[in-house]
Amino acid sequence: DAGVIQSPRHEVTEMGQEVTLRCKPISGHDYLFWYRQTMMRGLELLIYFNNNVPIDDSGMPEDRFSAKMPNASFSTLKIQPSEPRDSAVYFCASSSQSGDTQYFGPGTRLTVL
Amino acid sequence: KQEVTQIPAALSVPEGENLVLNCSFTDSAIYNLQWFRQDPGKGLTSLLLIQSSQREQTSGRLNASLDKSSGRSTLYIAASQPGDSATYLCAARGGGADGLTFGKGTHLIIQP
Repeated sequence: DAGVIQSPRHEVTEMGQEVTLRCKPISGHDYLFWYRQTMMRGLELLIYFNNNVPIDDSGMPEDRFSAKMPNASFSTLKIQPSEPRDSAVYFCASSSQSGDTQYFGPGTRLTVL
Repeated sequence: KQEVTQIPAALSVPEGENLVLNCSFTDSAIYNLQWFRQDPGKGLTSLLLIQSSQREQTSGRLNASLDKSSGRSTLYIAASQPGDSATYLCAARGGGADGLTFGKGTHLIIQP
């Protein structure tokens, strides 16, 4: 299995631009999670899905952030418009069942200038 | 709201030593606790997962324990090697939700 796949690995953009991060979970996993990692705040849960349905989006910082999961093999996290304080590493993770081990992707390092 | 704390924030020891990393959590009603390793610029690798009904889990030179009543978990690394150098993160999964609450990690350096 290829593991969780994220793209792009690095993204540099200017303030005000739209950013779309992509994730392909491990095949057969029913849960997908988006986390953000910064030096100041560490790793924080943004949102997670179960069977493509958003379950908890309380960690999404602002309305500028949105996430979708149109099918079991693809999810996007969109930031519009982006701001410098959004600069962070964004991780996607998946698990097969509730409470099971979460497997993380390599992350997308986002820099907003 | 669950809070997870890891002590120490950084640790440097000579190769071959046994060491203990600490993790504490404020809400004892956890479903499980997971230990991860993160190498610089990389994602997280799961090391051990302890269910709330378990007291410990072992994998090779790693042993993780869980004491829900005191809100603590420890990761024991035996016979440390330079390849163990990384940041170690613990994360708690609450009883009512599937997302993980992470500590800020312990940055471990094993000196050759």
